[in-house]
Amino acid sequence: EAQVTQNPRYLITVTGKKLTVTCSQNMNHEYMSWYRQDPGLGLRQIYYSMNVEVTDKGDVPEGYKVSRKEKRNFPLILESPSPNQTSLYFCASSSLGVGGTDTQYFGPGTRLTVL
Amino acid sequence: KQEVTQIPAALSVPEGENLVLNCSFTDSAIYNLQWFRQDPGKGLTSLLLIQSSQREQTSGRLNASLDKSSGRSTLYIAASQPGDSATYLCAVSSHSPVNQFYFGTGTSLTVIP
Repeated sequence: EAQVTQNPRYLITVTGKKLTVTCSQNMNHEYMSWYRQDPGLGLRQIYYSMNVEVTDKGDVPEGYKVSRKEKRNFPLILESPSPNQTSLYFCASSSLGVGGTDTQYFGPGTRLTVL
Repeated sequence: KQEVTQIPAALSVPEGENLVLNCSFTDSAIYNLQWFRQDPGKGLTSLLLIQSSQREQTSGRLNASLDKSSGRSTLYIAASQPGDSATYLCAVSSHSPVNQFYFGTGTSLTVIP
């Protein structure tokens, strides 16, 4: 089954404690992306990657890091989480064509609370 | 910077009614526009993708149109059903920065049986 998986699904942590949210896709997609969703602000792109070892900042990259060492995985790293990073996080992937990205497939989301 | 707006923020209709959801964007330099559906507590499901060279796409009771020059897209839902109740989001993929995505804040649709 084609899917994007994220782990963990729920996480409560404290300020300053480094954490990683994993994302994996089994569709051999070139493009992967992280978003955060906040009430009233909608989804905002954090980072995206168009291929292995290629990453770009989205709209709200501050406080986040990513890496793309393998095509299927795109982990999101919060080195020193703060309460304003409490949010619902989504990973997504799609293939890349001449016309840009194709249909994006989303993971189930990770609800992060930073105390 | 691209800005995407969806109006209305919420919509309630009786079952069987046809309806239109609106999406507007400020920068016409886009690769494509996608419509998504989000159910409460769930991820996003892609409904339709329109490439910048296309005018519309259809899937079942859904029809999405794109007028790139005016920065507008509409999602038409025919013969609405209670199962259509969800939040509908539109997103555009930009030319610059290439393939960066911008989402609207969504329209929350309730179809009353």
